[in-house]
Amino acid sequence: EVQLVESGGGLVQPGGSLRLSCAASGFTFRDYYMDWVRQAPGKGLEWVGRSRNKPNGYTTEYAASVKGRFTISRDDSQNSVYLQMNSLQIDDTAVYYCARVGGTSWNKATPDNWGQGTLVTVSS
Amino acid sequence: DIQMTQSPSSLSASVGDRVTITCRASQGINNNLAWFQQIPGKAPKSLIYAASTLQSGVPAKFSGSGSGTDFTLTINSLQPEDFATYYCQQHDNYPITFGPGTKVDIK
Repeated sequence: EVQLVESGGGLVQPGGSLRLSCAASGFTFRDYYMDWVRQAPGKGLEWVGRSRNKPNGYTTEYAASVKGRFTISRDDSQNSVYLQMNSLQIDDTAVYYCARVGGTSWNKATPDNWGQGTLVTVSS
Repeated sequence: DIQMTQSPSSLSASVGDRVTITCRASQGINNNLAWFQQIPGKAPKSLIYAASTLQSGVPAKFSGSGSGTDFTLTINSLQPEDFATYYCQQHDNYPITFGPGTKVDIK
C-alpha cells in the first residue's frame, strides 16, 4: 500500500523558513516523480512544484509564486522528498500535500496518491 | 500559463442523480487532463488521468471525456460519499494548473 506522510508544518513568522518532509513507503520511491501541492484555507488546490527521478536528472519545476523561495529535494536512500521554504509570506499559509506522480510521460504525469497534508501557518 | 475553468462552480443534486462537470483549458492540452475529488478536511483523491483513464481502484461510476480544450467528468448514481468538491488539472505543460473546483452538495 502506498503511504505518504508529511511532517514539519507549524507556525512561522513572515520572512522565516520551514522545511517540510514527506516519507514514502509501499512503492519503489526512486522510480517516481513527486509533487508538492498546497491549499490555502477555504481555497482551491495550487501546484507548488515537482521533483523528477534520477534518470531524469533529479531536476525540479516550480510554480512562479514560489520560484526562488522554495526548493524541492529528495533522498532516495531515505525514500523522502523535502520542501525547503524560505522568505515565507502570509499567503503561503496552507495545507501542504506531497503526492506521488503516476508516471514520467505527460499522459501520466499527475498525482495518483496523496499524503494527508501538513499545515503551515505564516503569521506574526 | 494554461488557465483552467470549471462550470458550474457548485451544484445541488440528489442521491441517485447523474451529474456532469465541465472543465475548459485556455489552450489545447493533448488530453492531459486529470480529475480529483476532495471531501472537506481530507486530502484530495485522484480519480482520472489522461482525460478518461480511471485511476486504480476508482469505481466505474466515474467517467471522463473530452479532447482539446473541453472536458467533462460524469458521476453516475450519486451516493452520499460522492458529495465533495471536484477539481480538474492539466498535466500537459508547466506550470501544472488546477481548475477552481466544483462543489457538489446534497439537494
